Amino acid sequence: KQEVTQIPAALSVPEGENLVLNCSFTDSAIYNLQWFRQDPGKGLTSLLLIQSSQREQTSGRLNASLDKSSGRSTLYIAASQPGDSATYLCAVNTGNQFYFGTGTSLTVIP
Amino acid sequence: DTAVSQTPKYLVTQMGNDKSIKCEQNLGHDTMYWYKQDSKKFLKIMFSYNNKELIINETVPNRFSPKSPDKAHLNLHINSLELGDSAVYFCASSQVQGVGEKLFFGSGTQLSVL
Repeated sequence: KQEVTQIPAALSVPEGENLVLNCSFTDSAIYNLQWFRQDPGKGLTSLLLIQSSQREQTSGRLNASLDKSSGRSTLYIAASQPGDSATYLCAVNTGNQFYFGTGTSLTVIP
Repeated sequence: DTAVSQTPKYLVTQMGNDKSIKCEQNLGHDTMYWYKQDSKKFLKIMFSYNNKELIINETVPNRFSPKSPDKAHLNLHINSLELGDSAVYFCASSQVQGVGEKLFFGSGTQLSVL
């Protein structure tokens, strides 16, 4: 069964810093991996989706990479801002369903 | 227009009651899901429907019964509510199950069982 782990569980950085969030999964047989953002009391908002054949995807200050063979993905956030404070979740799509990580709670300090 | 909408946003009820949560998507997607998010923010799949047919039914007590009147709606009915049912329940949809499609979420229903 697919297991998804995110490290660290929580992260606090000063504004302007670049940071990396990690996601690892146990079974490399995936269709894609998706990064989400969840604000307190809100639903999940999709940030980036990487297909299994891709190595990375970029959207603005966000860059997500995927190394399927090693079961790893990273989300790079450049020049962090207080508005980036949220919980970030990754989810792997095995074709049957999506498996979620436990999330990284990010706080960007002004 | 909200892509995936669920109601109510908050639900506070007593143990033993029966309640329903409604979900609708206007994206034309074929597949809809119910997820449960516990206090540690872990999201776990409960059910998945594809074109009104049940595809995934994880180990969920049979007090939980999904109902899909059409492919745009997937409602969740819960009988005999228990304290442990308190959580946030999310509805989601995707175009086709698997095959590289994005997952879209509703804003969640926070259920509190007293």
